[in-house]
Amino acid sequence: AQSVSQHNHHVILSEAASLELGCNYSYGGTVNLFWYVQYPGQHLQLLLKYFSGDPLVKGIKGFEAEFIKSKFSFNLRKPSVQWSDTAEYFCAVNAGDGNKLVFGAGTILRVKS
Amino acid sequence: GAGVSQSPSNKVTEKGKDVELRCDPISGHTALYWYRQSLGQGLEFLIYFQGNSAPDKSGLPSDRFSAERTGGSVSTLTIQRTQQEDSAVYLCASSLSGTHEQYFGPGTRLTVT
Repeated sequence: AQSVSQHNHHVILSEAASLELGCNYSYGGTVNLFWYVQYPGQHLQLLLKYFSGDPLVKGIKGFEAEFIKSKFSFNLRKPSVQWSDTAEYFCAVNAGDGNKLVFGAGTILRVKS
Repeated sequence: GAGVSQSPSNKVTEKGKDVELRCDPISGHTALYWYRQSLGQGLEFLIYFQGNSAPDKSGLPSDRFSAERTGGSVSTLTIQRTQQEDSAVYLCASSLSGTHEQYFGPGTRLTVT
């Protein structure tokens, strides 16, 4: 069965610090990879996605993620976080021949102003 | 355009009662998904619809849970004889057929007392 691991459950950063959230998945075939964000009181929103092609993908609000197939990883990065990035971040995987998303446990990011 | 809508936004019910949760997907989205978000379990897939049929029901936790979709649009998730462990946020998502990008609704928070 597919599984997704997010390495940190809580991350606290000061504004302007760099961010990297780890995500590893277990599935040997073709995958589609996603990062979703849930801001306080809001619903899940797609941050970025990888289907194929350039393994470095850019999303909204200055976020990017890199797919490293050999490491089964899809880490999320942002060079300089803002207070408004405070949210919970979910990594999700969809097996290439499937439909459902398998989510990681989520990482709660708090950015101190 | 309008996003995925869900109703009610909050539902409090007594243990043993039946509940119905409704999802109205984005117009034109033929694929519809139900997920559950609970403390300790994270985000879990429940069921997937393509049109009115459900080719993947593998995530439904027990036979107390059922879902239907009519007219290729609105879906209803029914939980019979609710238990306290059913307390969670029930999320609905939809996507265009052939794509894997899922758009989520705001969820229904179910509390079983």
